[in-house]
This record gives sequence, structure tokens and C-alpha cells, in this order.
Amino acid sequence: EDKVVQSPLSLVVHEGDTVTLNCSYEVTNFRSLLWYKQEKKAPTFLFMLTSSGIEKKSGRLSSILDKKELSSILNITATQTGDSAIYLCAVEDRGAQKLVFGQGTRLTINP
Amino acid sequence: SQTIHQWPATLVQPVGSPLSLECTVEGTSNPNLYWYRQAAGRGLQLLFYSVGIGQISSEVPQNLSASRPQDRQFILSSKKLLLSDSGFYLCAWSVKWGRVREDPNYGYTFGSGTRLTVV
Repeated sequence: EDKVVQSPLSLVVHEGDTVTLNCSYEVTNFRSLLWYKQEKKAPTFLFMLTSSGIEKKSGRLSSILDKKELSSILNITATQTGDSAIYLCAVEDRGAQKLVFGQGTRLTINP
Repeated sequence: SQTIHQWPATLVQPVGSPLSLECTVEGTSNPNLYWYRQAAGRGLQLLFYSVGIGQISSEVPQNLSASRPQDRQFILSSKKLLLSDSGFYLCAWSVKWGRVREDPNYGYTFGSGTRLTVV
């Protein structure tokens, strides 16, 4: 059974700090790993990582996929209060057209 | 452009009552459709997904069922709600694998969700 585990489950930091969120996975037939940010309702897409694209960056956010360790990290530098959200990691199983999510990391940025 | 509609936004139902949540997609054809449930402040649990009309895959045995009567319509139902059915329900769609996907949403686009409270 496909499994995605995120850590930590909760993180509280001060504005300006740098944070690293972790995601590890077990999937029968890996296709891609995705990161989402969820503030209130619908999750919004951040990054997609595949065998051919193991590192992505957008502004203060960056993500790396380690296919040997079956894991990924999401880095946020110079955090702002607007970064407070639940960050979700998900993997696609090539054998079935579905997305399996981890438990999420609740990130709180204090001013 | 593609849009996804999900309703209602909030719902309070007594234990034992039936449930019907509806999700429709516009601007695309033959999408993959998904129902997820999210416990308070936690990750998304995949409940059902569908790759075509009448084709439903169930991920978790439970009190719920799903149907896809039309290409772009996905319905989540229950005959008798339990307290444990409370949660935030999200519908999502994606393009068929093999088609070109465009950022920013990579084709996995979520509806705005339904917050269900069973009392």
C-alpha cells in the first residue's frame, strides 16, 4: 500500500527564520512527488518533482527529491507570516491514476 | 479555462440522515475525478477516484459511496451518516495521464471543499 509520511507534524518559528519540511514515501511504482500549500480551503500547487526534475525553486521556496532515500524536502527561507499554512506532500502511483497525500505539516510563523 | 464546482460549502446533518455532495467540472472532458476527506488540520485521505463514467475505485471501506453518472459529475453519498463522517471533503480533477500537463496546477485542481458536521 502506498504511504507518505511528513515531518514534523507541526512547526512554530519566528518571521525571518528558515524552515525545512520533510516528506518520505513508499510507493509501488513512483511517478512524481508534489507539494501543496493549504491555507483555508483548497490546496494550491507548489512543485512537482520527478526523476527528470529533482530540484525546483520559486522565490523563497525550494524543493529537492532524493530518489535513493525516497524522500523530499521543502525549504522556505526568510519566512513571512503569510507562509503560515498546512504544507502537504503527495505522490503519484504510476500503477493507478491517483494522488496519495501525507498527513501534512502545520507551519506557523510568528511575527 | 477549466473550473471545478463543489457544493454545498458547509453542511450540518444529524446522525442517521443521508448525504449527497456534488462536484462538477467545466472546460474539460474525460477527466479523472477524486474525493478526498481531511480531518481537522491534517492531510488528505483519498476516498474514491474515477477514471470514467460508471468507473469507481474505493480506497477505504466505509459508510460512503461515490457515483459518476456523467463525464464531469462526481457525487459522494451516504445512506446513513455517522459521527465519524464529519470532516472536510474535497473534490479534485486531473487530466488523463499521458496528456500534457500545464502548471500551475499540474491538472490536480481542487474544489473549495465542503465542511460536513454530523451531530
